[in-house]
Amino acid sequence: DAKTTQPNSMESNEEEPVHLPCNHSTISGTDYIHWYRQLPSQGPEYVIHGLTSNVNNRMASLAIAEDRKSSTLILHRATLRDAAVYYCILYSGGGADGLTFGKGTHLIIQP
Amino acid sequence: GAVVSQHPSWVICKSGTSVKIECRSLDFQATTMFWYRQFPKQSLMLMATSNEGSKATYEQGVEKDKFLINHASLTLSTLTVTSAHPEDSSFYICSWTSGRWGSYEQYFGPGTRLTVT
Repeated sequence: DAKTTQPNSMESNEEEPVHLPCNHSTISGTDYIHWYRQLPSQGPEYVIHGLTSNVNNRMASLAIAEDRKSSTLILHRATLRDAAVYYCILYSGGGADGLTFGKGTHLIIQP
Repeated sequence: GAVVSQHPSWVICKSGTSVKIECRSLDFQATTMFWYRQFPKQSLMLMATSNEGSKATYEQGVEKDKFLINHASLTLSTLTVTSAHPEDSSFYICSWTSGRWGSYEQYFGPGTRLTVT
């Protein structure tokens, strides 16, 4: 699976929107863009995933660039509980492949 | 999302002993599951992939005789760390997926923290 690039850390204020960027310039046509987050001392939590079109769910929105070389995870109204490490992962599956986790973005939420 | 449990949540064992970690999918049946481990201040690393009824596939550098995986059913998998050593101390996390393609999300357990003394 292709590699992603994310900022090491980002800081935002509580109750404000947060835009977490992810670059994946070598994405292939079969790669889905997955986002997971991990709170301290917990297993990762699925957030959202998409292929080409923007996606919305109860947790977040995923905006995918038209050329699919970048994407943005949007938390519409951050809370302190959203403080976590967010991982952007490209995944096509199709075999014995699990997820390849990078370093992710450490999101800090200020009250 | 799906609920995955792990037991125990933490365990301390002496060097040379074996430890078994259980991973259960509580509300859905899945054919494929994965075991990951995470060392302090590092990211998750895939250890092995397991399909129900088949032998597990291990990532390069992971000793299959040391980390025994039993995928007993569509809802239960176990990881046994045999002859544990202090360098095996880590956070072990399982995940389940209902499909092996990119369109399927993975659901992770809460993790098991193993400390080998």
